[in-house]
Amino acid sequence: QKEVEQNSGPLSVPEGAIASLNCTYSDRGSQSFFWYRQYSGKSPELIMSIYSNGDKEDGRFTAQLNKASQYVSLLIRDSQPSDSATYLCAVTLDSSYKLIFGSGTRLLVRP
Amino acid sequence: SQTIHQWPATLVQPVGSPLSLECTVEGTSNPNLYWYRQAAGRGLQLLFYSVGIGQISSEVPQNLSASRPQDRQFILSSKKLLLSDSGFYLCAWSVGTLNTEAFFGQGTRLTVV
Repeated sequence: QKEVEQNSGPLSVPEGAIASLNCTYSDRGSQSFFWYRQYSGKSPELIMSIYSNGDKEDGRFTAQLNKASQYVSLLIRDSQPSDSATYLCAVTLDSSYKLIFGSGTRLLVRP
Repeated sequence: SQTIHQWPATLVQPVGSPLSLECTVEGTSNPNLYWYRQAAGRGLQLLFYSVGIGQISSEVPQNLSASRPQDRQFILSSKKLLLSDSGFYLCAWSVGTLNTEAFFGQGTRLTVV
């Protein structure tokens, strides 16, 4: 079982819609969860971090964490064509400095 | 503010040649440092991480090695490159405590021919 799993996509949504990206992880002791955005040919950039169960909102982005289900998601409201990118979920393993990434979900926002 | 520098941006090397990629961080002390590799169309594979000078943890057996000769310098090396070493190499840093987010350099695109 992979440590961090994501659907590779592509996830295609129309402009203005809500995009929902999902991630599951295997280490029940994981403490920290991150979402990164990566444009083609570029390095990943941090969008959001979440450490506690529940929702965390930042502008058009909302991260959701459910530790009991080992599930973290990212919602993008009012999706824009400029949001088209690969979204990477990352998790720090329990009591470790290791930051492990999922394989990413490609998002396409259609004008 | 903190910045991370990684060079070169692109590199074409023949099979069997050596490799040295360098990464430096400015504006922070005792950072955690990471090397990742991303194959075309794939996710990030953690290669090495370091929590201090001379402290290197290797994640994947391979013909690569890493060193941290100074607090804010992280070097990725190989004595003999393989075709399978081609990829996008990314250096990242995080604050030197547990469970903090990492920030990436611009990456080096390595093509082994």
